[in-house]
Amino acid sequence: SQKIEQNSEALNIQEGKTATLTCNYTNYSPAYLQWYRQDPGRGPVFLLLIRENEKEKRKERLKVTFDTTLKQSLFHITASQPADSATYLCAPANQAGTALIFGKGTTLSVSS
Amino acid sequence: GAVVSQHPSWVICKSGTSVKIECRSLDFQATTMFWYRQFPKQSLMLMATSNEGSKATYEQGVEKDKFLINHASLTLSTLTVTSAHPEDSSFYICSAPRRQGVATEAFFGQGTRLTVV
Repeated sequence: SQKIEQNSEALNIQEGKTATLTCNYTNYSPAYLQWYRQDPGRGPVFLLLIRENEKEKRKERLKVTFDTTLKQSLFHITASQPADSATYLCAPANQAGTALIFGKGTTLSVSS
Repeated sequence: GAVVSQHPSWVICKSGTSVKIECRSLDFQATTMFWYRQFPKQSLMLMATSNEGSKATYEQGVEKDKFLINHASLTLSTLTVTSAHPEDSSFYICSAPRRQGVATEAFFGQGTRLTVV
């Protein structure tokens, strides 16, 4: 069955450093992959989408890579800030319109 | 950006009663919406797919008679938790997809915290 693994449940870093979160998937060949941010008690918020033919995507301080050979996506937040503290979820997907299946997420804590 | 509104954001109900949760896409039409449930420190688990004008499709292990879904219009889906029990206490989130070329961007509601006492 399809499996999505995010590197660790919790990641603690200092303000100003780069946070790197990992998403691995197995038994799956996604056409694209999305990253979401979820704050406690709130629904996920879309951050970035990367397609299988794209190696890298950037948006402000965020960068996502997608390696279909390794079956892995990396999510980077540069110059991290305490406000970046949240849970980040990855969701590989294959078909437009279908429900997203999420990994457990990585909870990032950025200390000042 | 697109907005999905979910209501109520929290509700406390007595065991045995029913609770209705609404999910609206405010600025786009959604023929399909998805309902998720999330327990503390767990991932979002897909419960069912709500289809406008037809029956919802439920994931394995989700009781369709307990979690009634109605997709009455292109902008509204409702989830009714019937005869709620304390084990139904959870965070329920709806999602409406909007197609972006070959990909789909999912927009989520704010979530509903249900507590059954």
